[in-house]
Parts: sequence; C-alpha cells; structure tokens
Amino acid sequence: AIQMTQFPSSLSASVGDRVTITCRASQGIGNDLGWYQQKPGRAPKLLIYATSILHSGVPSRFSGSGSGTDFTLTISSLQPEDFATYYCLQDYNYPWTFGQGTKVEIK
Amino acid sequence: EVQLLESGGGLVQPGGSLRLSCAASGFIFNTYTMNWVRQAPGQGLEWVSFISGNGGDTYYADTVKGRFTISRDNSKNTLYLQMNSLRAEDTALYYCAGGSGYYYEALDIWGQGTMVTVSS
Repeated sequence: AIQMTQFPSSLSASVGDRVTITCRASQGIGNDLGWYQQKPGRAPKLLIYATSILHSGVPSRFSGSGSGTDFTLTISSLQPEDFATYYCLQDYNYPWTFGQGTKVEIK
Repeated sequence: EVQLLESGGGLVQPGGSLRLSCAASGFIFNTYTMNWVRQAPGQGLEWVSFISGNGGDTYYADTVKGRFTISRDNSKNTLYLQMNSLRAEDTALYYCAGGSGYYYEALDIWGQGTMVTVSS
C-alpha cells in the first residue's frame, strides 16, 4: 500500500498567517490527491481534489499543488474558521490511504 | 437536501458481527460511488472500502479484507458494511462518503458517522 507522510503533525499560527501543509507519497501518485478539513465532532469536508481543483464553495485562500510524490496545501491568509485538522488522501490506487493529519491551532 | 445517514453501530464482543447501513437522500444514489471511512477515538482517518455505482467493483483496506463486505441496494438508496470477526482495533466512528462523475474519488458527501465499539 502507498504510504502518505504528512507534516507537520501540528502547527500554531495566527489569523492572517500563510500556512503550508505537506504530504509525501511513498511512490508516485500522479496528481491523484485530495485534501480534507475536519473540525472536532464533525465529519470531514472536501477542500481540494486532483491536487489543485478547489471544491465548490471552498474559499479561494485554499490552494493545492504538487505532483508525483510531493504535495502541498496552502492557506494564504488563515481565518478563524480554518482552525481544524487537515488530511490528504491518495486515490491513485487501492487501498486509498490518508496522511496522518495536521492540526492547525491558534497561536 | 443531500444527506447520508449512518446507522447500525453499537457495542459488540470481539469475534462478533455487525452490519452498518447508510441511507442516502437528496441525490441520485446510483450515480455515486461510495466508501466507508473510519476514525478510531482520537486518531486520524482510515479509508476502509469502496463500491462502484452498480456494485460491480469493490475494494478493501488490507486491515479489513476478508472480514468486511461492502454492498449497496440502489432500489433502497442504501449502502451497507457487513463486519465479521470484529477486533478491538475495529473500534471507531464509521463514516460513509461518496463521490460522482469523472472525479468520483473526490468525496464530496459525508454522513455524520456511526460508532462501533468492540469490547468484552
């Protein structure tokens, strides 16, 4: 199975900061990667799919990039509602695998 | 309103069985591929299983292969997960999630989850 290494596992940031989260795949996955946001006690929500396509209704401060093995999620200007845990998911082949998650906390 | 509603979770002894259901409403169910994703208490997300729109293709995580079976009844707009030989490490909140179209891997619909606890 493809292993997804996500880092950092947590970060502290202030409102307005630029935040970058990285996922590294154990083998090439093309651009078959999505990003999800999860808030405590809530189901995950889709942010980005196919590496860089923003899901409908997701604010444009979120962006994704990468290809092959290295991928990033960037929040250009962190907002109060963005404090959450973020996960990457490779859907290149089965079994699909999530990264371990990155918890974004308020500094 | 687009909605997925899971049910069937509960407390079960190790080695026991449980069947989860996920009732869909507000969208054309058979156009969606569906998945089960679980989350152990305080832990991250784990993809569990996939089923195609017509039920013809299924895939599983290595951790559940041979023990869990995913299925769907499109006439009832319902997804299932039959879980056998349950282990303590299967304890988790189980979500159903789906996607459609060319980018069916993008899971844009999620339920709120049903809790499964495996303990004696």
